[in-house]
Amino acid sequence: DVKVTQSSRYLVKRTGEKVFLECVQDMDHENMFWYRQDPGLGLRLIYFSYDVKMKEKGDIPEGYSVSREKKERFSLILESASTNQTSMYLCASSMMEQFFGPGTRLTVL
Amino acid sequence: GENVEQHPSTLSVQEGDSAVIKCTYSDSASNYFPWYKQELGKRPQLIIDIRSNVGEKKDQRIAVTLNKTAKHFSLHITETQPEDSAVYFCAASFGTGFQKLVFGTGTRLLVSP
Repeated sequence: DVKVTQSSRYLVKRTGEKVFLECVQDMDHENMFWYRQDPGLGLRLIYFSYDVKMKEKGDIPEGYSVSREKKERFSLILESASTNQTSMYLCASSMMEQFFGPGTRLTVL
Repeated sequence: GENVEQHPSTLSVQEGDSAVIKCTYSDSASNYFPWYKQELGKRPQLIIDIRSNVGEKKDQRIAVTLNKTAKHFSLHITETQPEDSAVYFCAASFGTGFQKLVFGTGTRLLVSP
């Protein structure tokens, strides 16, 4: 069965903290993605990766970085969290169809 | 630029009615158009998709149509049921070689008994 997991369902951090969100997939997919979901704005692509150690900027990469050291794991890093990064973060992996993780609701105070 | 517009943002229907959600895309090279359903508190899940070499695809009560000339595609749900209530997202592929998806802003469908 397809499985994409994310390290936390809920996370509360303070402004300026470094935040790590982790995503793991067990489907041997080449492609992995990080989105943020905000009401009325849909899913917006932050970064994606099509191979180990490869990464590409999506539509809203500012304030974020990523790491893909192993095929199954894709991490999203907020170097210095800000209140406007409060959002739902969704990870996905794909060969063609994208499978989503359960999401991490991040609140930055 | 890469853009997908989705309408309406909210849609209320009575059980048994049909529901139609429409999307337009900006890149004539887009060739893959999936639809995702997201129930409250859950992850988005693929419900149907269509490729550019096909004009229509059906799966039980759900169908998707694609008009490449006009660059729009639509989701049709017939005989709606309360469990169809959810947010629906359309998406279109962009890019050559590796393709990414750009999503619409979502439609909240409410089916009343």
